[in-house]
Amino acid sequence: SYEMTQPSSVSVSPGQTASITCSGDKLGDKYTFWYQQKPGQSPVLVIFQDSRRPSGIPERFSGSNSGNTATLTISGTQAMDEADYYCQAWDSSTAVFGGGTKLTVL
Amino acid sequence: EVQLVESGGGLVQPGGSLRLSCAASGFTFSTYTMNWVRQAPGKGLEWLSYISSSSSTIYYADSVKGRFTISRDNAKNSLYLQMNSLRAEDTAVYYCARDGDGSGFYYDYWGQGTLVTVSS
Repeated sequence: SYEMTQPSSVSVSPGQTASITCSGDKLGDKYTFWYQQKPGQSPVLVIFQDSRRPSGIPERFSGSNSGNTATLTISGTQAMDEADYYCQAWDSSTAVFGGGTKLTVL
Repeated sequence: EVQLVESGGGLVQPGGSLRLSCAASGFTFSTYTMNWVRQAPGKGLEWLSYISSSSSTIYYADSVKGRFTISRDNAKNSLYLQMNSLRAEDTAVYYCARDGDGSGFYYDYWGQGTLVTVSS
């Protein structure tokens, strides 16, 4: 079965750029999606089709996908961006999530 | 406003059954693919099942295939998950999630979740 690997944690200082990676075999050939989940809340879609932002998602969120790695980038990270982030893709009629990355803003 | 409201969670013994419901409003439910996703306590997200708008296409994760059944009633704007032969490892918050664009590839709206606890 397809696997997607994320770092368990990433730390960033306020105002700096955070990059969260997601790796999988030939991931660049698939669309990757990213979700933000804050404690006690449901996931929120922040990036779809590799790099597109849903309405209402701040411009500081961006995404890319090439080769075996997709990346979620948060520019000018704010304290409110502290959350768990999950990548997701589809493979063989199955949705697959990465294990999640805890973003700490300190 | 799009709303998805899950219900039906609770405490059930191992080997038991439970039926979850998801009531949808604020959009034309009958035209959207829907999914179930769960999250065990302190763990990540796990996709469970997909059902197309007309119920003609259904997919399951291997972890629940043969035990869980997804269904929908477009007249009632409702999505269901029948869960049988429940195990301790099925303990999780269960979310229903709407397909983002008809492709079935991603989820643009999620419910608040309903907690299922499997324990004796």
